[in-house]
Amino acid sequence: AQKITQTQPGMFVQEKEAVTLDCTYDTSDPSYGLFWYKQPSSGEMIFLIYQGSYDQQNATEGRYSLNFQKARKSANLVISASQLGDSAMYFCAMREGPRSGNTGKLIFGQGTTLQVKP
Amino acid sequence: EAGVAQSPRYKIIEKRQSVAFWCNPISGHATLYWYQQILGQGPKLLIQFQNNGVVDDSQLPKDRFSAERLKGVDSTLKIQPAKLEDSAVYLCASSSQAGENEQFFGPGTRLTVL
Repeated sequence: AQKITQTQPGMFVQEKEAVTLDCTYDTSDPSYGLFWYKQPSSGEMIFLIYQGSYDQQNATEGRYSLNFQKARKSANLVISASQLGDSAMYFCAMREGPRSGNTGKLIFGQGTTLQVKP
Repeated sequence: EAGVAQSPRYKIIEKRQSVAFWCNPISGHATLYWYQQILGQGPKLLIQFQNNGVVDDSQLPKDRFSAERLKGVDSTLKIQPAKLEDSAVYLCASSSQAGENEQFFGPGTRLTVL
């Protein structure tokens, strides 16, 4: 069963506007972490933001915020004031807790390609 | 602080040939991961090391893939013999401990099998 689902293969956004990238997840482990990574055309994976399952507040890092809706099992990434340099592939990932036997590995979604228009 | 180093960056081989990739994690990082990323997909874990021991290799095709981290520092991933479906980017990542919130990724090795 797909554990991380990103339903938007591609997205366009106008420069300086905000954009939301969707991510839903599936786990029965009460302890888990959710991550977003950016992968530009150069290929490296750049860590953007992290949300723990027990965190009470939504995570924010600069222009990035994570809209965490636990009951709906969604962890959408919001990028405010888009810049041309934000054009890249974005991956949502999950790390399950020790109850699931997880030892730290990340499970990634299929990714969403974001293109920022000038 | 130097990041995760990988080499080579690109490799083209013919099927049935052998290939090896090298990774040097961030200094002091005990946990090292090798991920395979097929074009258009998210990365998938192949193997995870804690120091020089294997923690998870459940998705490693052991009939053709092998990996080692003999001294608990750098690591080598080998494919022998390669198949067409092994064409992918091989990403190495490290973290200070297995449960750390951030894994630092290297630039990857893009493998093309002809």
